Amino acid sequence: EAQVTQNPRYLITVTGKKLTVTCSQNMNHEYMSWYRQDPGLGLRQIYYSMNVEVTDKGDVPEGYKVSRKEKRNFPLILESPSPNQTSLYFCASSLSVYTIEAFFGQGTRLTVV
Amino acid sequence: DQQVKQNSPSLSVQEGRISILNCDYTNSMFDYFLWYKKYPAEGPTFLISISSIKDKNEDGRFTVFLNKSAKHLSLHIVPSQPGDSAVYFCAARSGTGNQFYFGTGTSLTVIP
Repeated sequence: EAQVTQNPRYLITVTGKKLTVTCSQNMNHEYMSWYRQDPGLGLRQIYYSMNVEVTDKGDVPEGYKVSRKEKRNFPLILESPSPNQTSLYFCASSLSVYTIEAFFGQGTRLTVV
Repeated sequence: DQQVKQNSPSLSVQEGRISILNCDYTNSMFDYFLWYKKYPAEGPTFLISISSIKDKNEDGRFTVFLNKSAKHLSLHIVPSQPGDSAVYFCAARSGTGNQFYFGTGTSLTVIP
């Protein structure tokens, strides 16, 4: 089944403790991105990657890192999480940067206390 | 500042009637506009898109209209069904094609 898989689905952590949210897709998609969803702000793009080893900042990249060492995986790294990073995070992928339709993961609910 | 805006947080419609969801944008360089549907505890799913050079795109019960002069688009669902109850996000793609901008969403409730 074609899908985008995020792990974990839920995470509660403490301020400053490094964490990684994984994202994997099995559709051989080139373009992948991370979003955060907050009440009243909709989805905002954090980082995106047009292909392996090619990443770039989205609208709200501060406090996040990403890497794209292989096509299927696009982990989101929070080196020193803070409470303002408490949010619902979505990973998405699409065939290429030219493709309109994106496939989203089920989301990761992160709480930083 | 929000480049894509959905000013109606919620909308209720009777089953069988038309649902109209609205979206405004500020950046005239957007080249594609999209609508996503989201159920609770799931990720958004793509619904329909429209190129900035078109003014209408139809797919079954869903039609998207684009008014470039007003920087406004709308999604029409006819007839509305209870299964359409979800949050609908409007989104736009930057002219460079690299970034997407989403609205805040409109929660649609279709009453049986």
